[in-house]
Amino acid sequence: QKEVEQDPGPLSVPEGAIVSLNCTYSNSAFQYFMWYRQYSRKGPELLMYTYSSGNKEDGRFTAQVDKSSKYISLFIRDSQPSDSATYLCAMKGYGNKLVFGAGTILRVKS
Amino acid sequence: NAGVTQTPKFRILKIGQSMTLQCTQDMNHNYMYWYRQDPGMGLKLIYYSVGAGITDKGEVPNGYNVSRSTTEDFPLRLELAAPSQTSVYFCASSYPGPREYEQYFGPGTRLTVT
Repeated sequence: QKEVEQDPGPLSVPEGAIVSLNCTYSNSAFQYFMWYRQYSRKGPELLMYTYSSGNKEDGRFTAQVDKSSKYISLFIRDSQPSDSATYLCAMKGYGNKLVFGAGTILRVKS
Repeated sequence: NAGVTQTPKFRILKIGQSMTLQCTQDMNHNYMYWYRQDPGMGLKLIYYSVGAGITDKGEVPNGYNVSRSTTEDFPLRLELAAPSQTSVYFCASSYPGPREYEQYFGPGTRLTVT
């Protein structure tokens, strides 16, 4: 079993839709939960970060962490064509290195 | 402020050849990392460094070597290239400790071994 599971997609949605991206994990020691966005032929960039459980909102983006279910989500409201990218979840425990999911390819059609 | 830069952008190697992937950062980050990204597999950590003169293995170190003589530079050496090393290689850097989750990535090097 992989430490972090993420559906690779692709996920295709119309412009303006609400997008839900998810990851599950098996390591209960993870405390830091991140979402990185990667445009085609570019390096990943940090989009959202959450420590432990709870929600965090930044503009059209909301990150949720449910440690009891070992499940994290990223919601994108009013999706735009410019949101088309690969979204990678990443996690780490204290003193450990980041563990990345496989990434979900998102396509927002105008 | 260029961030993390990587050279070359693309390279084709023959089996058995060697090469060095260059990585430089200008953010004065202590921590630097090398990842490889294969389709559908996410990012796998090859090697990392917590400061000049200190390096350690990640998840997939076999076939690679690194050195860190300065804070800015973290080259990755491939010896005896194999087709299994065909991948996209990313260098990243971060501050130490609690901010280690915030990693800054370079644009990547696309390597093909034939």
